[in-house]
Amino acid sequence: DTAVSQTPKYLVTQMGNDKSIKCEQNLGHDTMYWYKQDSKKFLKIMFSYNNKELIINETVPNRFSPKSPDKAHLNLHINSLELGDSAVYFCASSQENIQGSGANVLTFGAGSRLTVL
Amino acid sequence: QKEVEQDPGPLSVPEGAIVSLNCTYSNSAFQYFMWYRQYSRKGPELLMYTYSSGNKEDGRFTAQVDKSSKYISLFIRDSQPSDSATYLCAMRSPARTNAGKSTFGDGTTLTVKP
Repeated sequence: DTAVSQTPKYLVTQMGNDKSIKCEQNLGHDTMYWYKQDSKKFLKIMFSYNNKELIINETVPNRFSPKSPDKAHLNLHINSLELGDSAVYFCASSQENIQGSGANVLTFGAGSRLTVL
Repeated sequence: QKEVEQDPGPLSVPEGAIVSLNCTYSNSAFQYFMWYRQYSRKGPELLMYTYSSGNKEDGRFTAQVDKSSKYISLFIRDSQPSDSATYLCAMRSPARTNAGKSTFGDGTTLTVKP
């Protein structure tokens, strides 16, 4: 039973289109993230939600809009796709230490590979 | 300058070799240090996690943190072809100060040849 699952796994689309990626976790974690991994393997955080509340919003174009309907789900919608959006997008989740001082290690999904033509 | 710098690789070693993977960092607030392993076309998975300075051993893997030098290492003993993957160091300050954000190194791709 997959802990963090993302759909779709592959997305090939034209520039200018809009696309969504969905993520679900069954670990009971209260924090979920979107990371972007470029072709050189660099992982960069985009967004983080804690109990449906946006807590991290890095410098990301506002064409990217996350949405968390509940703490087990985090979706990413991308408008007006550009060539530079081609990357692998990883969803992750973690459980905050109650005192807020823990390591908060991440459990990642398998990734959604987006190719913009 | 990046907050976390990782030895770039790629690294290619024969089976049985000892491998050393290294990262340096600039943010003295980092207290939690992780190593993630990422196989090709998969998501990263946590390999080791240490808090503050010191060593931690798990089977063939040893993680070392030297906070005074802002330097962390992952050693792999008796390396196996199944260890071939990209290794990513990650670190973070306490959750209440950075809202759960982990900062990653660029990754080192390791190939262990039979």
